Amino acid sequence: GESVGLHLPTLSVQEGDNSIINCAYSNSASDYFIWYKQESGKGPQFIIDIRSNMDKRQGQRVTVLLNKTVKHLSLQIAATQPGDSAVYFCAETSGAGTALIFGKGTTLSVSS
Amino acid sequence: NAGVTQTPKFRILKIGQSMTLQCTQDMNHNYMYWYRQDPGMGLKLIYYSVGAGITDKGEVPNGYNVSRSTTEDFPLRLELAAPSQTSVYFCASSYQETQYFGPGTRLLVL
Repeated sequence: GESVGLHLPTLSVQEGDNSIINCAYSNSASDYFIWYKQESGKGPQFIIDIRSNMDKRQGQRVTVLLNKTVKHLSLQIAATQPGDSAVYFCAETSGAGTALIFGKGTTLSVSS
Repeated sequence: NAGVTQTPKFRILKIGQSMTLQCTQDMNHNYMYWYRQDPGMGLKLIYYSVGAGITDKGEVPNGYNVSRSTTEDFPLRLELAAPSQTSVYFCASSYQETQYFGPGTRLLVL
């Protein structure tokens, strides 16, 4: 089948650019999705979440898009800053008290 | 709130030794989790707990044990350390779906 929004292991952008990080999730039964940011030597930090009954959710400088048809998530970061440099993971779950299933991470590098 | 705290930050073990990784949360979350993260990979669930006195296996439980005697604490026990357990261990807690992570414990088994 056609791959929509190919996952890239690394993404390099200039400060001030917009960044788009893609993720394919695996379980059709998942109904809650989270984006985490992980800086070197630290634990994953919550960025934004979205439920399966939504297509889009916006936060401060970040937007998450969900396409359930092709099981695809994306994270958009507006006006990317050097402090956004980190590894970004998407995660899916089917409810509280269940495992988060992590996708492949994308390393975002922001140069000034 | 301190959130999720973990100790120690780093430990070197010899093969066959045992140790306990400590995890405490002060958010009164019912759900707690232990994950391991190997280099360049996402996190994999070892064990989880839905409340005090209740624990269950995750994806990679072999070689580990847990207990949950209080809401706040969820220690992870390694009985016979093996090189394959070299990893970074993260504890997390949640009230609902969103899990909040501690800073991690880096473990090296030699």
